[in-house]
Amino acid sequence: DQQVKQNSPSLSVQEGRISILNCDYTNSMFDYFLWYKKYPAEGPTFLISISSIKDKNEDGRFTVFLNKSAKHLSLHIVPSQPGDSAVYFCAAPLRKTSGSRLTFGEGTQLTVNP
Amino acid sequence: DGGITQSPKYLFRKEGQNVTLSCEQNLNHDAMYWYRQDPGQGLRLIYYSQIVNDFQKGDIAEGYSVSREKKESFPLTVTSAQKNPTAFYLCASSNWGLMNQPQHFGDGTRLSIL
Repeated sequence: DQQVKQNSPSLSVQEGRISILNCDYTNSMFDYFLWYKKYPAEGPTFLISISSIKDKNEDGRFTVFLNKSAKHLSLHIVPSQPGDSAVYFCAAPLRKTSGSRLTFGEGTQLTVNP
Repeated sequence: DGGITQSPKYLFRKEGQNVTLSCEQNLNHDAMYWYRQDPGQGLRLIYYSQIVNDFQKGDIAEGYSVSREKKESFPLTVTSAQKNPTAFYLCASSNWGLMNQPQHFGDGTRLSIL
């Protein structure tokens, strides 16, 4: 049962434009979300997070939006840079049962073209 | 410089052979995790450990075993019972019980079958 889903396996954008990566979830008990970035042959690195008490969290070029009624979150990167090319995973902790144990989406490969 | 070290980076296994993947952290984190990543899929949890001498099965524990004799170390053994072991294995650590504490990942071990 995939509780966190990223339906777009890949996204290609031009340098300087906006990248929007989407994530949907089914478990209404999720109340905290994280985005990770992963380069090939490396481990994921934490990028940004959002609590369900907020609908937006911003950190430099990265903004995450949360729509609880739609069970949807998105990561915006503005402006996109070639170094942003990586796989992006959204994740949520199974808070009620296991503390900070995470469930991950399938990932979206972002390619930023110069 | 604190972090998580996984070794080896590449590992080859013969049919019917057990292999052990190493994971060491010097972040003083209580919790450690093992994930498996397959192409086009997100990270799936194999085992996790909240404290020394304790560990729990994740979503895909069959064919794997772990130990947690020291806080810094969480080795994963891929046994001959794991019929499809070829994958990218990632180890992570975090503070347990704090939902907003992101997991830190190692750079992974790629396991292949000869």
